[in-house]
Amino acid sequence: DTEVTQTPKHLVMGMTNKKSLKCEQHMGHRAMYWYKQKAKKPPELMFVYSYEKLSINESVPSRFSPECPNSSLLNLHLHALQPEDSALYLCASSQDHIQVLNQPQHFGDGTRLSIL
Amino acid sequence: DAKTTQPNSMESNEEEPVHLPCNHSTISGTDYIHWYRQLPSQGPEYVIHGLTSNVNNRMASLAIAEDRKSSTLILHRATLRDAAVYYCILRSVGGGTSYGKLTFGQGTILTVHP
Repeated sequence: DTEVTQTPKHLVMGMTNKKSLKCEQHMGHRAMYWYKQKAKKPPELMFVYSYEKLSINESVPSRFSPECPNSSLLNLHLHALQPEDSALYLCASSQDHIQVLNQPQHFGDGTRLSIL
Repeated sequence: DAKTTQPNSMESNEEEPVHLPCNHSTISGTDYIHWYRQLPSQGPEYVIHGLTSNVNNRMASLAIAEDRKSSTLILHRATLRDAAVYYCILRSVGGGTSYGKLTFGQGTILTVHP
C-alpha cells in the first residue's frame, strides 16, 4: 500500500468543467510534487512545493493551478482543460526538496484523468 | 541536464539474476544515480541510489563503474512481481536549474517469464 494517497483514482471531465485532484501524506514530508504521465511515457515534473511554498513550476499552463494548504495536503485545481491534458497525474513527497536531496520520493498511484 | 541511456526492453526468467544497464557518460561529480521502477497501474517506486561506491539494499544492488559513466542495477533473483519499467535517473546536487529534480528517461521494460 502506498503512503501517498491520491483521490479520485479516475476522473472524467468536460473541457468547461472545474475539478480538483487531491494528494495526502502523513509521513511528515515537507516537499511535495506533481507529475504528469502520458501513456507509455515517463513521468514529467510539473510543480514542486517545499515547506508549503511553490518552489518549481515547470512552465505549466495556467489551467493547472496547484495549492498546498498545509504540509500534508497538495491539491491540483483544473479548469478549462484540453483533450491533450488526458494523462495520469502523480503526486509524490519527500522529506525535503533541497536539504536532504537523496531521500527518495514516495509516489501515489495517481489519478487517471480523461478530458472529453 | 546529464542524460541516461537504457535499453528499451529486457527479458528474464523467474529466479534468475537480472542486470539492468544504464549509460550516463555526461555525469558530473555532483550527480547521484537513482533507480526507480514503476509496476503496471502504480506510481514509481524508489529502488536504490548511489554516488561512487556499490550499494546494496533489500530490493537490489547497484554497481557503479569506476569512471561513473555507467551503472548496473542487479536484481539477484527475479520474481514475476519484478516485471516493471525501470528508470535510471541522475539527480543533481550541484546547483543550477536541475537542482534536486528527478528527470525520468524512457526506462527499460523488464519482462519476467515464469
